[in-house]
Amino acid sequence: RKEVEQDPGPFNVPEGATVAFNCTYSNSASQSFFWYRQDCRKEPKLLMSVYSSGNEDGRFTAQLNRASQYISLLIRDSKLSDSATYLCVAFYNQGGKLIFGQGTELSVKP
Amino acid sequence: EPEVTQTPSHQVTQMGQEVILRCVPISNHLYFYWYRQILGQKVEFLVSFYNNEISEKSEIFDDQFSVERPDGSNFTLKIRSTKLEDSAMYFCASNEGLPEQYFGPGTRLTVT
Repeated sequence: RKEVEQDPGPFNVPEGATVAFNCTYSNSASQSFFWYRQDCRKEPKLLMSVYSSGNEDGRFTAQLNRASQYISLLIRDSKLSDSATYLCVAFYNQGGKLIFGQGTELSVKP
Repeated sequence: EPEVTQTPSHQVTQMGQEVILRCVPISNHLYFYWYRQILGQKVEFLVSFYNNEISEKSEIFDDQFSVERPDGSNFTLKIRSTKLEDSAMYFCASNEGLPEQYFGPGTRLTVT
């Protein structure tokens, strides 16, 4: 089983739509979780940290369910500039390594 | 805003050659990392480094790989004898101890 698993995508949505991404993780030792975004062939950029029960930042809301080992990202009122690949990431205290999911591609159309 | 920098942006090398990829982490950061991403695949952890020692390394990080902090600003990844399958984007990351890591723009390594 993959350590971090995401919806395969791609998601093609119109501007203004609400879109949700899901992610599951297999190792309950994971302490922290993140959503990064990656534009084509560029570096991952931190979008949001997801601690305890989740958090909100503007149009973005991340939720964590430790019992189900499930993380989600909700994007409201999507913009053309939101088009990117969204990476679900788990952090392990041992060695401080990040484990990435495969990523979910989002394409927002006019 | 401080950022991680990497050089070169693109490196082409022949199979069997040694390459050194360079990174300058954010200046007050203490923890350093290398990741790689083969085209079309996920980002994979290679190694973490703290206090001049490797903290953790993955199965990918075999004897062909080494890391070094030769001075107070640079952090390097060396591949001794490159293979075709080493072709990938290599990302350096750093942080000051918090889980969040900040990534450099990457070096695209092409092994021919």
